Amino acid sequence: DTGVSQDPRHKITKRGQNVTFRCDPISEHNRLYWYRQTLGQGPEFLTYFQNEAQLEKSRLLSDRFSAERPKGSFSTLEIQRTEQGDSAMYLCASSLSSREAFFGQGTRLTVV
Amino acid sequence: QKEVEQNSGPLSVPEGAIASLNCTYSDRGSQSFFWYRQYSGKSPELIMFIYSNGDKEDGRFTAQLNKASQYVSLLIRDSQPSDSATYLCAVKDTPLVFGKGTRLSVIA
Repeated sequence: DTGVSQDPRHKITKRGQNVTFRCDPISEHNRLYWYRQTLGQGPEFLTYFQNEAQLEKSRLLSDRFSAERPKGSFSTLEIQRTEQGDSAMYLCASSLSSREAFFGQGTRLTVV
Repeated sequence: QKEVEQNSGPLSVPEGAIASLNCTYSDRGSQSFFWYRQYSGKSPELIMFIYSNGDKEDGRFTAQLNKASQYVSLLIRDSQPSDSATYLCAVKDTPLVFGKGTRLSVIA
């Protein structure tokens, strides 16, 4: 499968715990995006990378969220001290420069 | 802050009919527009993109863009029950800015 891959697909965690998600983009894609989606809403932008550089972060992104793309390939999104409001689908997408973006299957996070 | 507006629906159409999904956007300078389909519990899947005023056709799907009116639409001809999903309109801003989506229900 040469599409965008996300791991894990589902994560249940207790409030206050840290979680980390991984995204492997399409191999030749230099841009990688993280979005969050809740029920009935469209995907909400969190952050994006061009190669290893994090170029933009949403002003809505709490300091508890951090993302890395250390070698310009896969990326990780970490949420520290999770809260119930963090429960959502976390979507990763990749693109070749400013061309169309393709999404992974998503990671569904449930904070209990 | 760029905004994309969509009617949340649900939009119900009978099988075989034309489904018309609409989207308006706030930034007159926007250049690129995308339609994604999202089945319940799944991630968005790219259907079409359009950059130029007018129509762009791909199989049963036609995207229409009117930059003067800041309006994008998606027509689905010969609608099938398998087309039942949420359709997301997105405007290219690097990153994409999404609307909330329109839920389409095709009734057999």
